[in-house]
Amino acid sequence: KAGVTQTPRYLIKTRGQQVTLSCSPISGHRSVSWYQQTPGQGLQFLFEYFSETQRNKGNFPGRFSGRQFSNSRSEMNVSTLELGDSALYLCASSHGTSGGEQFFGPGTRLTVL
Amino acid sequence: DQQVKQNSPSLSVQEGRISILNCDYTNSMFDYFLWYKKYPAEGPTFLISISSIKDKNEDGRFTVFLNKSAKHLSLHIVPSQPGDSAVYFCAPGHTGANSKLTFGKGITLSVRP
Repeated sequence: KAGVTQTPRYLIKTRGQQVTLSCSPISGHRSVSWYQQTPGQGLQFLFEYFSETQRNKGNFPGRFSGRQFSNSRSEMNVSTLELGDSALYLCASSHGTSGGEQFFGPGTRLTVL
Repeated sequence: DQQVKQNSPSLSVQEGRISILNCDYTNSMFDYFLWYKKYPAEGPTFLISISSIKDKNEDGRFTVFLNKSAKHLSLHIVPSQPGDSAVYFCAPGHTGANSKLTFGKGITLSVRP
């Protein structure tokens, strides 16, 4: 079974631009969660999508948004990029039930200049 | 408000000895706890979990202990191996939040040969 894939793996943008990251979950998984990892804050939950609906949301500004398609693939968008948005963005897929293991992709390393 | 604390940012142990990684939490709603291991440039990988109805779960060299009254859990690795060198994250969740996980900031474990 193929694992979680994320594209692109690396991205360099400048302040004010916007970016779209993509995540393909494990086949059969209906939940996709997004996390931001920075050296100072660790892994912080952004949001979770389940069956094309946002089911959970973390404490991030509205510049961070996402969506999920009918095939469970998910995209995350960050608009008006700031230097502080430089981070590793990880997505995780699961069946969506509480207590279940989440499987992470390798992440997208975003650098904002 | 840091709901999950991994107060020791790093730990160094000799190969063959025991590694004990600690995690404290404040949210009494958490009812399951996952541990993830992360190597550089890779996404976290699931290691072991424990439900709040248990106080111990064992899987090979890895054992997790949960003390609900103290809101404390620990991961024991015996015997430690150089390949265990990685960052370890404690990630609790609760059924009311579906599959959302709250991650600690991680502990960097170094196992010396």
